[in-house]
Amino acid sequence: QKEVEQNSGPLSVPEGAIASLNCTYSDRVSQSFFWYRQYSGKSPELIMSIYSNGDKEDGRFTAQLNKASQYVSLLIRDSQPSDSATYLCAVKLTGGFKTIFGAGTRLFVKA
Amino acid sequence: EAGVVQSPRYKIIEKKQPVAFWCNPISGHNTLYWYLQNLGQGPELLIRYENEEAVDDSQLPKDRFSAERLKGVDSTLKIQPAELGDSAVYLCASSLVGQGLSNEQFFGPGTRLTVL
Repeated sequence: QKEVEQNSGPLSVPEGAIASLNCTYSDRVSQSFFWYRQYSGKSPELIMSIYSNGDKEDGRFTAQLNKASQYVSLLIRDSQPSDSATYLCAVKLTGGFKTIFGAGTRLFVKA
Repeated sequence: EAGVVQSPRYKIIEKKQPVAFWCNPISGHNTLYWYLQNLGQGPELLIRYENEEAVDDSQLPKDRFSAERLKGVDSTLKIQPAELGDSAVYLCASSLVGQGLSNEQFFGPGTRLTVL
């Protein structure tokens, strides 16, 4: 089992819809979770971090964390074509500061 | 505030040649990371420095890869000799690590290496 798993996609949603990106992790006691956006040919860009169970909202983005289910998600409301990118989930493991990245989910927002 | 700086952005070399990548982290960040990213995959950690000390280099192929972070600021990653399978994007990231801190990592633009 991979330490951080994401559906590779592609996930295709129409403009204006809600895009839902999911991530599961294996380290039960992980405490820090991050979402990065990566455009083709560019480096990852941090868009959200979440540390506690529940929802965290920032503009059109909402991160959701459920530690009991070892599940973290990212919702993008009012999706725009400019949101088309690969979204990477990252989990910081306990016992140190090593962060493991998932392989990413490709998102396409159709105009 | 300036971000993470990397150079060169692109490098094409023939196999068995040496190559070096340079990274300057965000000012004040104590931790520096080198990652390798293959197409369709997430970044994979090669080495992590806390100040001058390499605290996690378990994934660094030490027979051909080496790294240094003199004075705890900028860093160099070297491959000698390069192999075809080393073609990838090499990413540098930095963060401010410590108890109570976010430990968020910020990436540089990366160096795309092509080994022919």
